[in-house]
Amino acid sequence: KAGVTQTPRYLIKTRGQQVTLSCSPISGHRSVSWYQQTPGQGLQFLFEYFSETQRNKGNFPGRFSGRQFSNSRSEMNVSTLELGDSALYLCASRSLSATGDTQYFGPGTRLTVL
Amino acid sequence: EDQVTQSPEALRLQEGESSSLNCSYTVSGLRGLFWYRQDPGKGPEFLFTLYSAGEEKEKERLKATLTKKESFLHITAPKPEDSATYLCAGNSGGGADGLTFGKGTHLIIQP
Repeated sequence: KAGVTQTPRYLIKTRGQQVTLSCSPISGHRSVSWYQQTPGQGLQFLFEYFSETQRNKGNFPGRFSGRQFSNSRSEMNVSTLELGDSALYLCASRSLSATGDTQYFGPGTRLTVL
Repeated sequence: EDQVTQSPEALRLQEGESSSLNCSYTVSGLRGLFWYRQDPGKGPEFLFTLYSAGEEKEKERLKATLTKKESFLHITAPKPEDSATYLCAGNSGGGADGLTFGKGTHLIIQP
């Protein structure tokens, strides 16, 4: 079974621009979560989507948004980029079943804001 | 506010020297305690999910245990390829459904 894929893997933008990142979950998984990872703050939850609906949102400004499509693929968008948005953005594909809750991460998109 | 604290921040061991990593948590209505391994430049790799105090899970040289306030990741006779950052995360039932992560333990196994 293919794992979680994220595109692009690397991205360089300048302040004020916007960016869109893409995530394809494991086949059959309907839940996708996004996280931001920085050296100072570690991994922080951005939001979770299930069946095209945002279920939960972390403590991030409105510049961070996302969506999920009918095929469970998800995108996140960051508008008006700031230097502090430089981070590794990770997508997690979630499986909830009788045997338990597992969340599998993709390789991430490394965003650098100049 | 949910919190997860990992210790130590870094640990250097000799090959074959067993040890334990600690994860203390205050997560309201804990619905799962997760352990991940992360290699440099890669996404976290899922290891275990624990749900209730007393639960234990094993995978190769790793064993994770859970109490009401802490989780431990025991590494038995580690090898250099076990070198990585180990992350612990709690899933709260009281609010946002995202995982609350600790800062991780950076483990180095020297040959």
